[in-house]
Amino acid sequence: RKEVEQDPGPFNVPEGATVAFNCTYSNSASQSFFWYRQDCRKEPKLLMSVYSSGNEDGRFTAQLNRASQYISLLIRDSKLSDSATYLCVVNPSGYSTLTFGKGTMLLVSP
Amino acid sequence: DVKVTQSSRYLVKRTGEKVFLECVQDMDHENMFWYRQDPGLGLRLIYFSYDVKMKEKGDIPEGYSVSREKKERFSLILESASTNQTSMYLCASSLLGEREETQYFGPGTRLLVL
Repeated sequence: RKEVEQDPGPFNVPEGATVAFNCTYSNSASQSFFWYRQDCRKEPKLLMSVYSSGNEDGRFTAQLNRASQYISLLIRDSKLSDSATYLCVVNPSGYSTLTFGKGTMLLVSP
Repeated sequence: DVKVTQSSRYLVKRTGEKVFLECVQDMDHENMFWYRQDPGLGLRLIYFSYDVKMKEKGDIPEGYSVSREKKERFSLILESASTNQTSMYLCASSLLGEREETQYFGPGTRLLVL
């Protein structure tokens, strides 16, 4: 089983839609979780951390389900500028290395 | 503002050449990382370093070496470039410490080996 798995997409949605991505991880001892965003031909950038209690940042909501070992990202009221690849990222050990999923591509159309 | 820079955005080399990729960060971060990113394979860790003159192998170190002589600089070396090393190379840095895992990436170097 791969360490971090994501649906590669693409997810094609119209502006204003709500879209959700899930990600599963294999190591039940994983310490912390993140969503990164990567625009086409650019470097990944941290979008948000994912806390056990869930967290929200504007139109973005992240949830963690430790029992089922999955993480989700919800984007409300999608904008054209949300088009990007979203990387699910896990710290499996508590040390400084991160494990990156292969990403889910989102395309928001007018 | 956080800044990670890489020496080249695009690089074309021939098979067998020795290739140096340089990365510099100005955030006084202890940790530095080298990844390669390929379509369908995602980001894969090549090497990382927790401190000056310290290095650890990542998931795919074969064919690569690294050097960290100064805290702010982490170099990736392809001793004898091969066509299967054509890829996007990304450098990142982060602080050392619990819950300081956010990695900041450089803009990447697209390497083509002919």
